[in-house]
Amino acid sequence: EVQLLESGGGLVQPGGSLRLSCAASGFTFSSYAMSWVRQAPGKGLEWVSSISSSGGSAYYSDSVKGRFTISRDNSKSTLYLQMNSLRAEDTALFFCAKDPISAAAKRGFDPWGLGTLVTVSS
Amino acid sequence: QTVVTQEPSFSVSPGGAVTLTCGLASGSVSTSHYPSWYQQTPGQAPRTLIYTTNTRSSGVPDRFSGSILGNKAALTITGAQADDESDYYCVLYMGSGISVFGGGTKLTVL
Repeated sequence: EVQLLESGGGLVQPGGSLRLSCAASGFTFSSYAMSWVRQAPGKGLEWVSSISSSGGSAYYSDSVKGRFTISRDNSKSTLYLQMNSLRAEDTALFFCAKDPISAAAKRGFDPWGLGTLVTVSS
Repeated sequence: QTVVTQEPSFSVSPGGAVTLTCGLASGSVSTSHYPSWYQQTPGQAPRTLIYTTNTRSSGVPDRFSGSILGNKAALTITGAQADDESDYYCVLYMGSGISVFGGGTKLTVL
């Protein structure tokens, strides 16, 4: 069974940093693209970032480009999201998700983890 | 900036059928956008229903189906049940690694 377990969320002050992790199991991690999706309180889903299976290609939404960095360690089956210069509007539940069938990040998200909450506030 | 459009809300009667759509403010949706659909109930993680236009995720009943209808992606639910009452989101792949979610449709079963 595929499992994705996010961690690393918490309360951080504006301008601060956090690193999220997503531990994967139940599939060959190195064969699939991975992504981060977030959901602000009471709002819809927002794609944040994706990374190819090898880690050689990374993609970002305009809202996080230059502040967030996605990476992966295929030897540890773990996905990361380094978040710097955090803003109040980054407050959200962050989900990691696997590409359903592909090494390239284009075919959606399946399945999803349960999420980790990031709160940016002074 | 790409805008993906969804109906804000929809209602369906128990046992009835409903089609939710996912469009582009500018342009048409095609299979090249690899449209996918997700169901989310409050406080829960999203559940994948459909990916690559019409492939059901594991365990999803065949009451849920995906297609392209005209210039939009579509999610059709037949035999609506009370626990289908959820928020439904679509996402489109826009190329260059970029995906964009629609604003979601709140489906009421009554």
